[in-house]
Amino acid sequence: DVKVTQSSRYLVKRTGEKVFLECVQDMDHENMFWYRQDPGLGLRLIYFSYDVKMKEKGDIPEGYSVSREKKERFSLILESASTNQTSMYLCASSPNQNNEQFFGPGTRLTVL
Amino acid sequence: SQQGEEDPQALSIQEGENATMNCSYKTSINNLQWYRQNSGRGLVHLILIRSNEREKHSGRLRVTLDTSKKSSSLLITASRAADTASYFCATDSGTASKLTFGTGTRLQVTL
Repeated sequence: DVKVTQSSRYLVKRTGEKVFLECVQDMDHENMFWYRQDPGLGLRLIYFSYDVKMKEKGDIPEGYSVSREKKERFSLILESASTNQTSMYLCASSPNQNNEQFFGPGTRLTVL
Repeated sequence: SQQGEEDPQALSIQEGENATMNCSYKTSINNLQWYRQNSGRGLVHLILIRSNEREKHSGRLRVTLDTSKKSSSLLITASRAADTASYFCATDSGTASKLTFGTGTRLQVTL
């Protein structure tokens, strides 16, 4: 079974802190994605990566950065957390052969 | 940007009834996918239908696609309480493996 894991299920941070959200997949997938999910807005793509050290902006990249140093790991970084970044963050991966995405369990981040 | 819009936003039915959810999208697509999300969890892929297909089945799921109307429907037959979840459509428009998700339909199946 494909497994996508995220470093934390729940996280509470203070405004201005630097926050790292980690995602690891074990199926050698080329593509990895970070979304945030907010009520009434569905899933919105923050960043994605189609190869090691490659990254592309999604629809809402402002306030975020990413890192992909190894194929299995894709990190989302909030350089200076703000209250409007309180959200559910979902990581996903997909192979190149088809684009069915496999999701992690999500990290619910609260910024106080 | 939101590509898919699901309808209805919420649906409540009794166990044993069928549930139908609809998805409309705006641009041409390579394929359309449906996902399920249990409360507070990640999404799980249910079914993929390609742009040259009109109907697809998987167990109690039936998906249709009408590219002329830019719409799709997901039918869950003989629903069970365990089907209670949110359902999302996602479209692939051929841009670097990206999917664009709709806002979802919340399905409640009561005993």
